[in-house]
Amino acid sequence: NAGVTQTPKFQVLKTGQSMTLQCAQDMNHNSMYWYRQDPGMGLRLIYYSASEGTTDKGEVPNGYNVSRLNKREFSLRLESAAPSQTSVYFCASSGWRGGEQFFGPGTRLTVL
Amino acid sequence: QKEVEQDPGPLSVPEGAIVSLNCTYSNSAFQYFMWYRQYSRKGPELLMYTYSSGNKEDGRFTAQVDKSSKYISLFIRDSQPSDSATYLCAMSAGAGGTSYGKLTFGQGTILTVHP
Repeated sequence: NAGVTQTPKFQVLKTGQSMTLQCAQDMNHNSMYWYRQDPGMGLRLIYYSASEGTTDKGEVPNGYNVSRLNKREFSLRLESAAPSQTSVYFCASSGWRGGEQFFGPGTRLTVL
Repeated sequence: QKEVEQDPGPLSVPEGAIVSLNCTYSNSAFQYFMWYRQYSRKGPELLMYTYSSGNKEDGRFTAQVDKSSKYISLFIRDSQPSDSATYLCAMSAGAGGTSYGKLTFGQGTILTVHP
């Protein structure tokens, strides 16, 4: 099992450009999450999907959109990137034990 | 004030030392308490998972939860250089519905164990 996979691993954007971060899990989990991690800030929830067909805002949703494409895939889109969105982005999934989240390897995004 | 507060460190200890990592929280609805370990340039991985107050031991690791004081701790005995990582506490209210599984993380403590 690959667990949680994320693409791309690294990305550099210019201000105003758009991009989509991809995430997939092969653990048959219902719930999926997108976080951003900044120095000294821990992990902050951007959006989550409790089950296929539902999405909800987390702590820092502004500037982002998400799509739960199917049970396996959950994408995060930046429509118009800003330097404040420079961060490391993690996707995670969880099964019946909600607090036990499994994380992907992360995407390092730099917005110039 | 953040819902979960964690001393970011950094913490540097010699090999073999006992390490104590701590978090305080303000939301009395939290019932599930976790510690995640994150190696450099990797995603976090679950280390300890506890429900409500009490202690849980797993090898060299012990997690303690004191809900009356809104305080949780992780102890590492006989620390090893391989324990060098960032340790994140996380909490969940564990309610049903769409909020189930949502975690609130502390800022993370950077730990270095030197030989």
